[in-house]
Amino acid sequence: DGGITQSPKYLFRKEGQNVTLSCEQNLNHDAMYWYRQDPGQGLRLIYYSQIVNDFQKGDIAEGYSVSREKKESFPLTVTSAQKNPTAFYLCASSMRGYEQYFGPGTRLTVT
Amino acid sequence: RKEVEQDPGPFNVPEGATVAFNCTYSNSASQSFFWYRQDCRKEPKLLMSVYSSGNEDGRFTAQLNRASQYISLLIRDSKLSDSATYLCVVNIRGGTSYGELTFGQGTILTVHP
Repeated sequence: DGGITQSPKYLFRKEGQNVTLSCEQNLNHDAMYWYRQDPGQGLRLIYYSQIVNDFQKGDIAEGYSVSREKKESFPLTVTSAQKNPTAFYLCASSMRGYEQYFGPGTRLTVT
Repeated sequence: RKEVEQDPGPFNVPEGATVAFNCTYSNSASQSFFWYRQDCRKEPKLLMSVYSSGNEDGRFTAQLNRASQYISLLIRDSKLSDSATYLCVVNIRGGTSYGELTFGQGTILTVHP
């Protein structure tokens, strides 16, 4: 089955801890993206990567880090520097210039 | 002015009704336009791309008006299952930028019996 997987679906962490969210795709897409969605708001771009070993900051990159060591994988680390980390995190992928397809998301709660 | 702006609604319509949403965008150089659907607590899913000449997919019709910088989505013969949030999505930076998309806040549609 082709698609994008994110794990875990729900994640709970204590304040001050770093946490890494997984995103894997087997669609052979070049580009991958991380978004954040807060209740009643649109999606905001955190980071994106067009090619392996390269990535760019999006609109709200502060407090986050990413890596792209393999075409299929684009993990996101939410660091303790992120002031309001509780949110719904969505990973997406696309071929160059085409529409994006999303994984099922991870709901992160930090207390 | 927001880069991509939608009326958040909610739109409450009876089954069988026709409903239309508009979305305005700020950059006249934008070249890619999409409508996504998002169900409650789920990921967005591509509904349809929007082409310059307008396009239709079953009960759904999308149109682009470049002069006025807006796109629209028309849903005919609404079904209960159409209840969702509809996201207007634009490649706001224009050109052939690598899939960078800007998402509107979304329009909530509720179809009732």
